[in-house]
Amino acid sequence: DTGVSQNPRHKITKRGQNVTFRCDPISEHNRLYWYRQTLGQGPEFLTYFQNEAQLEKSRLLSDRFSAERPKGSFSTLEIQRTEQGDSAMYLCASSFQGGDQPQHFGDGTRLSIL
Amino acid sequence: AQSVTQLDSHVSVSEGTPVLLRCNYSSSYSPSLFWYVQHPNKGLQLLLKYTSAATLVKGINGFEAEFKKSETSFHLTKPSAHMSDAAEYFCVVTPDTGGFKTIFGAGTRLFVKA
Repeated sequence: DTGVSQNPRHKITKRGQNVTFRCDPISEHNRLYWYRQTLGQGPEFLTYFQNEAQLEKSRLLSDRFSAERPKGSFSTLEIQRTEQGDSAMYLCASSFQGGDQPQHFGDGTRLSIL
Repeated sequence: AQSVTQLDSHVSVSEGTPVLLRCNYSSSYSPSLFWYVQHPNKGLQLLLKYTSAATLVKGINGFEAEFKKSETSFHLTKPSAHMSDAAEYFCVVTPDTGGFKTIFGAGTRLFVKA
């Protein structure tokens, strides 16, 4: 178990640019989640996958955001035309199926928009 | 509808004294409840989970929590605080329906004084 890995750890970009983050979950886990966390707040749910299927998206996930999980392995989260309000920590987590299964989190990608 | 309320945004204790972090929840279903800890610029780490097996749950690093259905509470305690316990703590609830929805509390920042 190598844990959940996220890359890059930090991303600084200018407003209007596109960014892509990657998450490598624990290989045995079939569920993968994306969260956004702003300073002083708890994580807010963005979207989740069960295997390769994206089963739910939050209303926070505007049409500038897109997530994929090809082949049910790693996942990418892309933000197009970034805005100042996108500055946050983006967390990825994975778990086995079931509400009683704990989620295992990566260390996140911190996005800063200049 | 589900919700999680962490009753204190900040808690300050002296090293060696007990820790109490309070969490109340509401859930239409039999919930699973978790406590996570987050150190600066890190992802969330699972401390412990309750999934209806026993009301007193022991976790890592000497933490434990007691599920009280009548009070809809899941408070986190530790008999003796250590400097390394200083971090942000999140109470989390998921429904016992096999679903994905995870609700995070707003977090409690624990300060430990020498």
